[in-house]
Amino acid sequence: KAGVTQTPRYLIKTRGQQVTLSCSPISGHRSVSWYQQTPGQGLQFLFEYFSETQRNKGNFPGRFSGRQFSNSRSEMNVSTLELGDSALYLCASSPDGYEQYFGPGTRLTVT
Amino acid sequence: GEDVEQSLFLSVREGDSSVINCTYTDSSSTYLYWYKQEPGAGLQLLTYIFSNMDMKQDQRLTVLLNKKDKHLSLRIADTQTGDSAIYFCAETPEGRGKLQFGAGTQVVVTP
Repeated sequence: KAGVTQTPRYLIKTRGQQVTLSCSPISGHRSVSWYQQTPGQGLQFLFEYFSETQRNKGNFPGRFSGRQFSNSRSEMNVSTLELGDSALYLCASSPDGYEQYFGPGTRLTVT
Repeated sequence: GEDVEQSLFLSVREGDSSVINCTYTDSSSTYLYWYKQEPGAGLQLLTYIFSNMDMKQDQRLTVLLNKKDKHLSLRIADTQTGDSAIYFCAETPEGRGKLQFGAGTQVVVTP
């Protein structure tokens, strides 16, 4: 089976802009979770989608949003980017939300 | 979130066993996980253990779980230079979909 793919792999944006990241899960997996990884805060959970519904949400501001499509592909959006949003964004695919397989991540740099 | 605690660094000689320790917070966590992250890469799921188990062995990896002390450990037998990476312990304190990670233990394997 193909693994989890994330696009783009690298992104440079300016403060105030918005960005959309994409995640394609492993075929047959219905759960997609998103995480932010920074040197200072480590790995932090953003949200999880299962069958197009947000099932879990972390403690991030409303500027961070996501969605999931009927084919289980997911996108996350960050509006009004801040310098502190620079991070590695990881998505994880799972059949049920427990056994999570991660993609390679999208490295976002905000200048 | 860093309620999951791990030591930050471990140095081990090639061929020796490595033991990475973790203390987690929530006794209701259904599963506990070990992930590996190499530089510039996403997280690789190494193994996981169901909360009603004490031990799980998978080739060179042995996971021990002490629920009374909320202590999880990962033993890597015959450690190789390719095992040099950051290892993360994770729990599921709010059920499926959300993993809560420790800060990671950097393992350096010396020849």
